Amino acid sequence: KAGVTQTPRYLIKTRGQQVTLSCSPISGHRSVSWYQQTPGQGLQFLFEYFSETQRNKGNFPGRFSGRQFSNSRSEMNVSTLELGDSALYLCASSLGLAGGREQYFGPGTRLTVT
Amino acid sequence: SQQGEEDPQALSIQEGENATMNCSYKTSINNLQWYRQNSGRGLVHLILIRSNEREKHSGRLRVTLDTSKKSSSLLITASRAADTASYFCATDVLWGSGNTGKLIFGQGTTLQVKP
Repeated sequence: KAGVTQTPRYLIKTRGQQVTLSCSPISGHRSVSWYQQTPGQGLQFLFEYFSETQRNKGNFPGRFSGRQFSNSRSEMNVSTLELGDSALYLCASSLGLAGGREQYFGPGTRLTVT
Repeated sequence: SQQGEEDPQALSIQEGENATMNCSYKTSINNLQWYRQNSGRGLVHLILIRSNEREKHSGRLRVTLDTSKKSSSLLITASRAADTASYFCATDVLWGSGNTGKLIFGQGTTLQVKP
């Protein structure tokens, strides 16, 4: 099976702009979770989607949002970008609900905000 | 704030030696998982240990879990240069009415294995 894919892999944006990142889970996986990784804060949970519903949410401002489509593909959106949003954004999929299961991570999208 | 704290932050060993990494956490968990990350790329799942398990093996990996001390350790035996990576523990915390699925990661241990 193909692994988790994320597009784009690299992105440069300017403060104030918005960005949309895409994640395609492993075929058959219905849960998609998003994480932000920065040198200062490490890996932080953003949210989890399952069957097109947001099931879990981390402690991020409302500028961070996401959605999941009927084919389980997911997008996350960050509006009004700030310099501190520069990070590696990772998505992960799991077969069922993420709880109690291993998660399969994509290669990430590296976002740079200037 | 991070749920898990890992120790040591960095570890440098020779090929063939064993590497031990420790993880401590703060709240009740459903399970604890270990992941590996090579040079800022995606994470690779290594092993999952449930809260009612004490030890688990997978190839050269051995994980222990002590829920009374809220700690876990990862042992890599007979290390290889290819094991050079960052290793993260992640706790699947219990929240709300027994819900899980929110992985909280530690800061990671950077392991360098010298050939």
